Amino acid sequence: QVQLVESGGGVVQPGRSLRLSCEASGFTFSTYALHWVRQAPGKGLEWVAVISYDGFNKYYADSVKGRFTISRDNSKNTLYLQMNSLRAEDTAVYYCARGREYTGYDYGLDYWGQGTLVTVSS
Amino acid sequence: IQLTQSPSSLSASVGDRVTITCRASQGIGSYLAWYQQKPGKAPKLLIYAASTLQSGVPSRFSGSGSGTDFTLTIGSLQPEDFATYYCQQLNSYPQGFGPGTKVDIK
Repeated sequence: QVQLVESGGGVVQPGRSLRLSCEASGFTFSTYALHWVRQAPGKGLEWVAVISYDGFNKYYADSVKGRFTISRDNSKNTLYLQMNSLRAEDTAVYYCARGREYTGYDYGLDYWGQGTLVTVSS
Repeated sequence: IQLTQSPSSLSASVGDRVTITCRASQGIGSYLAWYQQKPGKAPKLLIYAASTLQSGVPSRFSGSGSGTDFTLTIGSLQPEDFATYYCQQLNSYPQGFGPGTKVDIK
């Protein structure tokens, strides 16, 4: 069965960095786009970033552009989110989610991890 | 592309028919998905391509619309349907979500 397991969350001071990981299993990792979506405490969902199946195309929300970098290692079935210059407003549960296969029709995010909490606080 | 949802919350009873609306700031064709999220859980994909039911989702859920106006309908609300519902546009990046509609028990 498809599984996505995030890790790497924790408490970090403003201005510092953190790297999240998302380990995937149960599907052919290298053929799917992958997304990061976050949710601040008590708030709605915020789309963060996406990376294409081959890692060549990446897109970001304006709120994280220039500070966050999405990447993937298809040999390790793992997705990453490098978060630099963290701010209090980046405090959220971060989810990884599976997107579309190759460049086919975008059916939405059909599998999600359980999320990892990032708290930015001094 | 900005998404708005209405209402932001609603109270309903088991068996009620519930309708949630999502409006896009510009046309997105049928590139819209709906998700259900329960407290402390990850979102669950309900509908994609505006009206196609994801595998395993009960048939009481349905979606309609295209262009800028979309609707999620729950035909007969069940106890397990009390949750927050989000729409997401898949037409272009950033693929943002609507602000959500919380459905709770009357």
